[in-house]
Amino acid sequence: DGGITQSPKYLFRKEGQNVTLSCEQNLNHDAMYWYRQDPGQGLRLIYYSQIVNDFQKGDIAEGYSVSREKKESFPLTVTSAQKNPTAFYLCASSITKGLETQYFGPGTRLLVL
Amino acid sequence: QKEVEQNSGPLSVPEGAIASLNCTYSDRGSQSFFWYRQYSGKSPELIMFIYSNGDKEDGRFTAQLNKASQYVSLLIRDSQPSDSATYLCAVFPDTGRRALTFGSGTRLQVQP
Repeated sequence: DGGITQSPKYLFRKEGQNVTLSCEQNLNHDAMYWYRQDPGQGLRLIYYSQIVNDFQKGDIAEGYSVSREKKESFPLTVTSAQKNPTAFYLCASSITKGLETQYFGPGTRLLVL
Repeated sequence: QKEVEQNSGPLSVPEGAIASLNCTYSDRGSQSFFWYRQYSGKSPELIMFIYSNGDKEDGRFTAQLNKASQYVSLLIRDSQPSDSATYLCAVFPDTGRRALTFGSGTRLQVQP
């Protein structure tokens, strides 16, 4: 069953804590993306990766870090430097040749305790 | 900063009517255009994509693109209450950043 999985569904962060959001895909897509969505707003790009071991900053990368060690996986770490992390985090993937339609995982909702 | 603009709504239409959702974009070189539907608390799901000027139809949905006016729209015929959701317009650039830029979405309410 092909698709994109994100875990956990809900995540709670304490002050000063780093947390990592998981994103895995078995679609054999080369590119993966992380977006943040705040209530009533559209999606803002945090980071994206076109190939393994390479990634680029999006519009709001400060306070976040990523890695791309495997094609299937693109974890996002929300660091303590991100002062307002409460949001809905969406991972997506796409092919990189031709029409780069992005498909989304179910999302992770991050809340601050 | 490349912009994608949408009216936030809500757009309210009666059941069975045509809903018309609009989107403008600032990057004249944009090549691919996407419409996603997002139900409350859920992730976006792809409805349609379009990359040539004109109309593209898929069932009850029609996407319209006018690159000269930098305008893309989505028509939903025979609107159903289950179409009530937020519709996100997204644009893929010709050069530069290789990722979609999203509008803030239009909330559609279909009244039974």
